[in-house]
Amino acid sequence: AQKVTQAQTEISVVEKEDVTLDCVYETRDTTYYLFWYKQPPSGELVFLIRRNSFDEQNEISGRYSWNFQKSTSSFNFTITASQVVDSAVYFCALSGPTGGGNKLTFGTGTQLKVEL
Amino acid sequence: DTGVSQDPRHKITKRGQNVTFRCDPISEHNRLYWYRQTLGQGPEFLTYFQNEAQLEKSRLLSDRFSAERPKGSFSTLEIQRTEQGDSAMYLCASSLVGTGAHEQFFGPGTRLTVL
Repeated sequence: AQKVTQAQTEISVVEKEDVTLDCVYETRDTTYYLFWYKQPPSGELVFLIRRNSFDEQNEISGRYSWNFQKSTSSFNFTITASQVVDSAVYFCALSGPTGGGNKLTFGTGTQLKVEL
Repeated sequence: DTGVSQDPRHKITKRGQNVTFRCDPISEHNRLYWYRQTLGQGPEFLTYFQNEAQLEKSRLLSDRFSAERPKGSFSTLEIQRTEQGDSAMYLCASSLVGTGAHEQFFGPGTRLTVL
């Protein structure tokens, strides 16, 4: 079975602080995909990034960076110099052949609150 | 380039009534997914279509739930004899399979409240 664990239920930071959101996953597939989505208060899930299991290169996009480590089954997400607009619920998700149809298995999400 | 749209955005109904939701995917996308999200949880998969064919249904999808995607375009999700436990956000997502991309793009959701 596939499983995604986001142990941090809620994180509060002050603007301009760096923050890391943790994601640990379980899968028996050798090929799989990992995702991060942002869900602002409006409710719409916004796609942030996809990583393939065979590509462990870390990625940086502006203030966002992702650290994929197969050895620890983790795919952590760091926001540098956080801003109030970053306040949202962030979901890590997994898809692969075992799940079928590329359907996504989500974690329970981490609520990030960025305060002035 | 329009994204995924869903209608209605909110639905309040009484227990026992039937409701139907609509999803319009991104026009060239061949896969369409339905998920359900309850408060404080991540979305859970319900069903998906490849073009007009419904290829998988979750155990979460009881026989009161039915989904269609006629002509491989928009999709509808119907819930018959609604129960209070059906109250949730129903999310639709679409993706283009076959190009190597697997990311799903989500609509704004339909929030269902069953009284």
